[in-house]
Amino acid sequence: SAVISQKPSRDICQRGTSLTIQCQVDSQVTMMFWYRQQPGQSLTLIATANQGSEATYESGFVIDKFPISRPNLTFSTLTVSNMSPEDSSIYLCSATPSTDTQYFGPGTRLTVL
Amino acid sequence: GIQVEQSPPDLILQEGANSTLRCNFSDSVNNLQWFHQNPWGQLINLFYIPSGTKQNGRLSATTVATERYSLLYISSSQTTDSGVYFCAVIYNQGGKLIFGQGTELSVKP
Repeated sequence: SAVISQKPSRDICQRGTSLTIQCQVDSQVTMMFWYRQQPGQSLTLIATANQGSEATYESGFVIDKFPISRPNLTFSTLTVSNMSPEDSSIYLCSATPSTDTQYFGPGTRLTVL
Repeated sequence: GIQVEQSPPDLILQEGANSTLRCNFSDSVNNLQWFHQNPWGQLINLFYIPSGTKQNGRLSATTVATERYSLLYISSSQTTDSGVYFCAVIYNQGGKLIFGQGTELSVKP
């Protein structure tokens, strides 16, 4: 299994600003992902965080808006840039250790005013 | 892309009752997981079950891969079972999970 922590757990931000969310895994993992959950909705994949190379983004998500870093096999960051109220969501990171099971962090609850 | 459909969308139970949640998917999958999202937003792994049957306490799950569906059984429900139950699948080698829309369960005392 994998234990995943995220910081911050929640934040309230002003429109036009940026927030960086950190994700830490307690062991080295091959794959890390970032998801968004808008209010009352299911989870949608933003991107796959690739170690040592650029992230792979899903349709509808772009690097300028959601830059992602993954400097090593246990850590990743997601930045939500130039925020608007529509970015208010829960952002979750996940990781897949040696098995196929994917584990999730506790999420970051973001409110944009 | 693959479609993942869950039913029912909402379910209200009296404490002690049993329930069955269903997940249909439109293509062959490499992985299927069930999650419980509690009222605080935490996503908890319940089962990794691409095929077959597994049990964990009051919960059990069955996936019939050839017929493209999975079932989650909750027996003797408790108020702490309340929340949203998600089914999610991986259908290619990319590792990314595709989520259904969830079943919101409310267990009344």
